[in-house]
Amino acid sequence: DTEVTQTPKHLVMGMTNKKSLKCEQHMGHRAMYWYKQKAKKPPELMFVYSYEKLSINESVPSRFSPECPNSSLLNLHLHALQPEDSALYLCASSQAPGQPYGYTFGSGTRLTVV
Amino acid sequence: SQQGEEDPQALSIQEGENATMNCSYKTSINNLQWYRQNSGRGLVHLILIRSNEREKHSGRLRVTLDTSKKSSSLLITASRAADTASYFCAADPGKLTFGQGTILTVHP
Repeated sequence: DTEVTQTPKHLVMGMTNKKSLKCEQHMGHRAMYWYKQKAKKPPELMFVYSYEKLSINESVPSRFSPECPNSSLLNLHLHALQPEDSALYLCASSQAPGQPYGYTFGSGTRLTVV
Repeated sequence: SQQGEEDPQALSIQEGENATMNCSYKTSINNLQWYRQNSGRGLVHLILIRSNEREKHSGRLRVTLDTSKKSSSLLITASRAADTASYFCAADPGKLTFGQGTILTVHP
């Protein structure tokens, strides 16, 4: 298995809702990442998990809450989002943090906040 | 924060022509990577060049790196319509941060 699987592919949520994005990989990668991408812009790093521990939080608002239950799974819990949070959320993994390997990206969750 | 600029922002060529994209970055790096993205979906890793390398090839791809100028270039030779996509460079100083990207359109 050489893929990163993200679910759901599309999500529409209200500003008072609570939802979660899920990401899964079975490549034995020990680093996992969340990126946010607005239309016609590059991906922006949100969080980095290294060996299942949060190692980098790029000053992301607390309405985004990451979780790494085990080495294969990464969640992003969403609560009280704003319309400007609408974006493509990308999960990625790499073999090990700080090592010269390419990242494997999932196909993303397109989130719309109404 | 984003690493830097990519040049050009958009490139339109005919099938069979070569496409060259340039990237500048701001910080010291461990390596620099190039990715392709089709239609706003997931990114696909194309090639990685380490900071102590100057040039690397992979199939129709050629990447150069000039750490003194903090710049890199991606050359796609003999382009195909299927190469139409957005291309991003990504600098890795410990965490991967992306340039602004080049939108490549290859006309059949």
